[in-house]
Amino acid sequence: SYDLTQPPSVSVSPGQTASITCSGDKLGQKYASWYQQKSGQSPVVVIYKDNQRPSGIPERFSGSNSGNTATLTISGTQTTDEADYYCQAWDRSTAVFGGGTKLTVL
Amino acid sequence: EEQLVESGGGLLQAGGSLRLSCAASGFTLSSYEMNWVRQAPGGGLEWVSYISSSGSSKYYADSVTGRFTISRDNAKNLLYLQIDGLRAEDTAVYYCARATGSSGWFYFDYWGQGILVTVSS
Repeated sequence: SYDLTQPPSVSVSPGQTASITCSGDKLGQKYASWYQQKSGQSPVVVIYKDNQRPSGIPERFSGSNSGNTATLTISGTQTTDEADYYCQAWDRSTAVFGGGTKLTVL
Repeated sequence: EEQLVESGGGLLQAGGSLRLSCAASGFTLSSYEMNWVRQAPGGGLEWVSYISSSGSSKYYADSVTGRFTISRDNAKNLLYLQIDGLRAEDTAVYYCARATGSSGWFYFDYWGQGILVTVSS
């Protein structure tokens, strides 16, 4: 089975840039999506097709994907960005999620 | 406004069965691929199953193959997940999620609020 690996936690100070990585075998040859899940809420997509931002998602969210690593970057991180973030990709008609990264803004 | 509402969860015994439903509104269900995703208490997201817009193609995670069955009734705007042979490890919040995009880059653009399934052993 295909696995996606994320760091369990990332900390960032308000106003700084947060980077969350997602690693998988030849992930750069697939498309990655990223989901934000705040406590007690359903997930929300923040990036799809590696670097596309859905309408309503702030410009400070961006994504990239190359080689074996996809990266979600949050510029000028705000306290409201504190949440769990999950990467996701498709492998042979099955969707795979990374284990999730808890972003702490302090 | 697009909306997905799950129902059918609850507290069940191991070995039992249940059917989850997901009611879609605000969009034409027949135009979209749909999925079920679950999240164990304190855990991460786990994709469970996919069904094509017509219902002709279905895919499952290895962990549920043979016990879970996804189906849909486009005329009623309903998505289903039949779960047989419940196990303690099936305890989770189950989300239905709409897929948008194309093969290779589908992403989940709308999610339901989730429904809790608790399996007691």
